[in-house]
Amino acid sequence: KAGVTQTPRYLIKTRGQQVTLSCSPISGHRSVSWYQQTPGQGLQFLFEYFSETQRNKGNFPGRFSGRQFSNSRSEMNVSTLELGDSALYLCASSRAADPASSYEQYFGPGTRLTVT
Amino acid sequence: AQTVTQSQPEMSVQEAETVTLSCTYDTSESDYYLFWYKQPPSRQMILVIRQEAYKQQNATENRFSVNFQKAAKSFSLKISDSQLGDAAMYFCAYRSANTGNQFYFGTGTSLTVIP
Repeated sequence: KAGVTQTPRYLIKTRGQQVTLSCSPISGHRSVSWYQQTPGQGLQFLFEYFSETQRNKGNFPGRFSGRQFSNSRSEMNVSTLELGDSALYLCASSRAADPASSYEQYFGPGTRLTVT
Repeated sequence: AQTVTQSQPEMSVQEAETVTLSCTYDTSESDYYLFWYKQPPSRQMILVIRQEAYKQQNATENRFSVNFQKAAKSFSLKISDSQLGDAAMYFCAYRSANTGNQFYFGTGTSLTVIP
């Protein structure tokens, strides 16, 4: 079974631009979560989508948005990029429909975004 | 919001020896899950072990085991017979049983294995 895939793997953008990152979950997984990883802040939760609906949201500004398609693929968009948005963006999928289940998340390799 | 604390930014262990990584968390919930993830230099996060809070028995996966102390809100990871491939960043993570797949991660412990 193929793992979580993320595209692109590396991206360089300029301040003020916008960017869209893509995540394809493991087949059968309906939950997709996004995390921002930086050396200073560690892993911070951005949001989770389940069945095309945002189920949870972290404490990030409205410039960060996402969506999920009917095939469970997800995209994350960051508008008006700032230097501080430079990070590794990780996507994770899970087959858990019920929050009370202990299913773990499977992570993708990440997209390394550099904002200059 | 829940917080997860890993107080050891770096640890080292001799090959074949045992090492314990510490993790504490803060929550008012009674039903939750705890995880240890490993992130090798290649950056792919891999699940090492998980623990359900309602289970008193400590989880074990081959050379990896946990010491789960619910009252103390402590969740340490013990790696026995350490191998060179164990070298990685280790993250402790918390997930509520009530709010979906929102994981709270600690800041990580970088483990070096000395040959």
